Amino acid sequence: KAGVTQTPRYLIKTRGQQVTLSCSPISGHRSVSWYQQTPGQGLQFLFEYFSETQRNKGNFPGRFSGRQFSNSRSEMNVSTLELGDSALYLCASSLRSSTGELFFGEGSRLTVL
Amino acid sequence: ELKVEQNPLFLSMQEGKNYTIYCNYSTTSDRLYWYRQDPGKSLESLFVLLSNGAVKQEGRLMASLDTKARLSTLHITAAVHDLSATYFCAVDEEVRGTYKYIFGTGTRLKVLA
Repeated sequence: KAGVTQTPRYLIKTRGQQVTLSCSPISGHRSVSWYQQTPGQGLQFLFEYFSETQRNKGNFPGRFSGRQFSNSRSEMNVSTLELGDSALYLCASSLRSSTGELFFGEGSRLTVL
Repeated sequence: ELKVEQNPLFLSMQEGKNYTIYCNYSTTSDRLYWYRQDPGKSLESLFVLLSNGAVKQEGRLMASLDTKARLSTLHITAAVHDLSATYFCAVDEEVRGTYKYIFGTGTRLKVLA
């Protein structure tokens, strides 16, 4: 059974650019959550999608957005990148919305120069 | 507001020693999860505790849950270097039909040879 797949694994952007990250959940999982992890702020919840609907949202500015497709794959987008957006972005999938065991992808490491 | 607190935040211990990581939470949830993160890697699920008094063991790690005290412990027995990682606990809480999933701050464990 394939795990959670995130692409790209690494990317470098400059300030002001935008970035799109992709996450393919485990087959059959309808919930996808996104987290930002930085050394200073730890693991912070961005948002969660279940059956193409955003169910929960963390405390991030509107530059951070996401969506989920009918096949449960999810994308998150960050516009007008800032240096502070440099982080490891983790995607997790689960069977149900916001409950149960989470299965994480390897993450996308974003560096903003 | 649901809060999840771990202590200690940092733990340096000698190989062969025993120690316990504590996870306190503020909700009445009876579901608690433990995850492990190796440096530069993603999170992987360690334990899923779904009821009061639940105890799970895997190798040198044992997790337990006391929902009355709102406390979970992760006990390390005879630590080895391979256990060096950051350990996160997480709780999910149902609020008016939707769930929120909250991670603790993490405990960075370093096992010294």
